Amino acid sequence: GAVVSQHPSWVICKSGTSVKIECRSLDFQATTMFWYRQFPKQSLMLMATSNEGSKATYEQGVEKDKFLINHASLTLSTLTVTSAHPEDSSFYICSANLAAGVSYNEQFFGPGTRLTVL
Amino acid sequence: QKEVEQNSGPLSVPEGAIASLNCTYSDRVSQSFFWYRQYSGKSPELIMSIYSNGDKEDGRFTAQLNKASQYVSLLIRDSQPSDSATYLCAGRYNFNKFYFGSGTKLNVKP
Repeated sequence: GAVVSQHPSWVICKSGTSVKIECRSLDFQATTMFWYRQFPKQSLMLMATSNEGSKATYEQGVEKDKFLINHASLTLSTLTVTSAHPEDSSFYICSANLAAGVSYNEQFFGPGTRLTVL
Repeated sequence: QKEVEQNSGPLSVPEGAIASLNCTYSDRVSQSFFWYRQYSGKSPELIMSIYSNGDKEDGRFTAQLNKASQYVSLLIRDSQPSDSATYLCAGRYNFNKFYFGSGTKLNVKP
């Protein structure tokens, strides 16, 4: 159990375009999902917390107008990188935590999306 | 001080040896801790969680938590080359947000 999927797994786009990344919890309902970014040889940096049915909470320094997050259902959160630029190239990973049960409080990660902006 | 700190390594151990990975944390982090393994180019995979003082064993892995000294460790017994990866320590804060350490790279030499 606790499987999280992401789509696409990789994407290459031109500078100035927008890219949408989907994160799905496949076998459980996730009221909260998290979006991270990881640059090469660096650790995970939390970008935002996505709550079903409400606005996302962004970490300090993360532009909410650039990284649009929508958590439309208990199994789907999306991250849209708007007007992407080369410096946005990174590995984007979502995670979800189980609201109850044996694995309560544990975060399970999706496989990640590698974004390259030309 | 970072909220969760790890030695970046690399830590090199011979196959079959015990690998010991350590992590310290600040007062901002709650008492829930997690160890993740991350292979190059992949996302993190949860290995173990630990909430109480003491040891928690799962197969070849043992997590240790010492709240008084604010450190958490992961021991890998009978290390295998397939264990070569970066190991991330994470601590929970502010509801379910996690602070992640920068990771320790482990190399297990055949």
